[in-house]
Amino acid sequence: KAGVTQTPRYLIKTRGQQVTLSCSPISGHRSVSWYQQTPGQGLQFLFEYFSETQRNKGNFPGRFSGRQFSNSRSEMNVSTLELGDSALYLCASSLAGGPNTEAFFGQGTRLTVV
Amino acid sequence: AQKVTQAQTEISVVEKEDVTLDCVYETRDTTYYLFWYKQPPSGELVFLIRRNSFDEQNEISGRYSWNFQKSTSSFNFTITASQVVDSAVYFCALSEAEGNAGNMLTFGGGTRLMVKP
Repeated sequence: KAGVTQTPRYLIKTRGQQVTLSCSPISGHRSVSWYQQTPGQGLQFLFEYFSETQRNKGNFPGRFSGRQFSNSRSEMNVSTLELGDSALYLCASSLAGGPNTEAFFGQGTRLTVV
Repeated sequence: AQKVTQAQTEISVVEKEDVTLDCVYETRDTTYYLFWYKQPPSGELVFLIRRNSFDEQNEISGRYSWNFQKSTSSFNFTITASQVVDSAVYFCALSEAEGNAGNMLTFGGGTRLMVKP
């Protein structure tokens, strides 16, 4: 079966712009989580959505937001981009979420802010 | 607050050597889950193993083995007879269960393993 698909794979944006990243989970998976990976901060949890509701949120400013659609696809949005937002953004899906759940990750979207 | 520490940022070995990746965690919960993920150059994280806090049995899967010790809050990962294909970044992660219905992983900083032929 198809894995987690993230689009686009690469993105270059200018400071101050906004960006939307997309994630299509594995068919049947209802939980989608987002992570930011940078050389300095490592992998950090952004938020998790389950059945179109945000279930958990990490410690990121309000410029980072997300949503989930009825087909479980998810988008995350970053407004007023800063240079420090340059990162690999990873999406993970799982059947129902839960703290003991194996998460399946996409290949990520590499965002560069110039 | 929860925390995962992987003290080894980079390890280099020659093929066929055994290598152990260390992971130390901190949590106040009594129920939690520990994971290891592998990140190859392509970027996606690949699940390797999950352990719950009540199961301290060691596990072996082929050339991979894991040693979980609650007394030292450690969950170490050993690769026996390493191969070039094992070259990747390996992450240890923690998920707390109490008061948390979701899937929220706290990752360590990762260990970059380079296996040379």
